[in-house]
Amino acid sequence: GEDVEQSLFLSVREGDSSVINCTYTDSSSTYLYWYKQEPGAGLQLLTYIFSNMDMKQDQRLTVLLNKKDKHLSLRIADTQTGDSAIYFCAEGNFNKFYFGSGTKLNVKP
Amino acid sequence: DGGITQSPKYLFRKEGQNVTLSCEQNLNHDAMYWYRQDPGQGLRLIYYSQIVNDFQKGDIAEGYSVSREKKESFPLTVTSAQKNPTAFYLCASRDRGRYEQYFGPGTRLTVT
Repeated sequence: GEDVEQSLFLSVREGDSSVINCTYTDSSSTYLYWYKQEPGAGLQLLTYIFSNMDMKQDQRLTVLLNKKDKHLSLRIADTQTGDSAIYFCAEGNFNKFYFGSGTKLNVKP
Repeated sequence: DGGITQSPKYLFRKEGQNVTLSCEQNLNHDAMYWYRQDPGQGLRLIYYSQIVNDFQKGDIAEGYSVSREKKESFPLTVTSAQKNPTAFYLCASRDRGRYEQYFGPGTRLTVT
């Protein structure tokens, strides 16, 4: 399968911005995705970006895509304790999706 | 309320027994997927189905079987041939023509 790499942990203070990074290898992926997983739960789709875009903003979330470097990032503005979760980056087309190992975000009050 | 349901949330089995995990969706999605998640790892694709009565192996299909007799249902059987069945199993679905997948709440299977 394709490789999707993420750092394992990120710790921030409440109110700060969080930036979660991801690198991927398959340049043919049409979309790239960010999912959130809370303990013991399924994955919640947060946002996705079409591969020919370089930025997408959705309320507190900003996705940046550097297609040349195959680098994707998720910025969460004004991070809250409720944002504490594992965040997964994924790439794919229709039936082939590849997920990173997840970044555990810890938000300190 | 539209969504994906998986039951049960927790499942315990003895080694050597087959077990079937349920996945139902009322989103009218054509495609359905099964993933396995192990601690500290990403999701790995077990099987997927794009249409009723058709399914394809994913990256780790050995020891698993599926059926797709109805559009809304995609049960996964973990057979005794699966060497390390203890894991968190996630079902997902996707609408035709869309790229994003939506996930159910998962079933945690423990085999002892």
